[in-house]
Amino acid sequence: AQKITQTQPGMFVQEKEAVTLDCTYDTSDQSYGLFWYKQPSSGEMIFLIYQGSYDEQNATEGRYSLNFQKARKSANLVISASQLGDSAMYFCAMREGWERDFNKFYFGSGTKLNVKP
Amino acid sequence: GAVVSQHPSWVICKSGTSVKIECRSLDFQATTMFWYRQFPKQSLMLMATSNEGSKATYEQGVEKDKFLINHASLTLSTLTVTSAHPEDSSFYICSAPRGGVKNIQYFGAGTRLSVL
Repeated sequence: AQKITQTQPGMFVQEKEAVTLDCTYDTSDQSYGLFWYKQPSSGEMIFLIYQGSYDEQNATEGRYSLNFQKARKSANLVISASQLGDSAMYFCAMREGWERDFNKFYFGSGTKLNVKP
Repeated sequence: GAVVSQHPSWVICKSGTSVKIECRSLDFQATTMFWYRQFPKQSLMLMATSNEGSKATYEQGVEKDKFLINHASLTLSTLTVTSAHPEDSSFYICSAPRGGVKNIQYFGAGTRLSVL
């Protein structure tokens, strides 16, 4: 089974509107971390937001928030007030286990977001 | 600013030559770094985990002799694509976990390799 599932290959959103990118994960570990990255056409991977499995509150970073529903094993990214510069690929990722340097990340297949003017 | 530097950003080489890609953590030490390969419009595929002072751990299906990894210091890991062929053309990207509670992986800007 896939560790991270992103079911939306592509999404469109009108500028200034909010958009939700879906992510579900699969793990039997009690301790894990969930991450979202943005990859513009230039190729760099930009860290956006982190949610720990024991965090009770949803993470927020500026216009980004993570809708964490542990029982459903979902970690959706919400982008508020979309901007043209938000057009990019977005990847959801998970790190299983305790925070160790050698713990690798599992990435989803990504969602291509297009923001329309 | 960037916390992980990757060089070169773009390289074109002839078939049969070797190419070295560097990945540096700029303001922190990284005992572990990761190397990924990404095909167009696809997700990142983990190739190997680079360990400072010891051998790299390769993912299943990745040729160790083709993709040589050297993690010689706490801030530098290199990936050498040996005897490159056109099928090795791809986007290679490295990452380093910064540690702390979140242990976020920070990525280099990536290297686009084109083998003629």
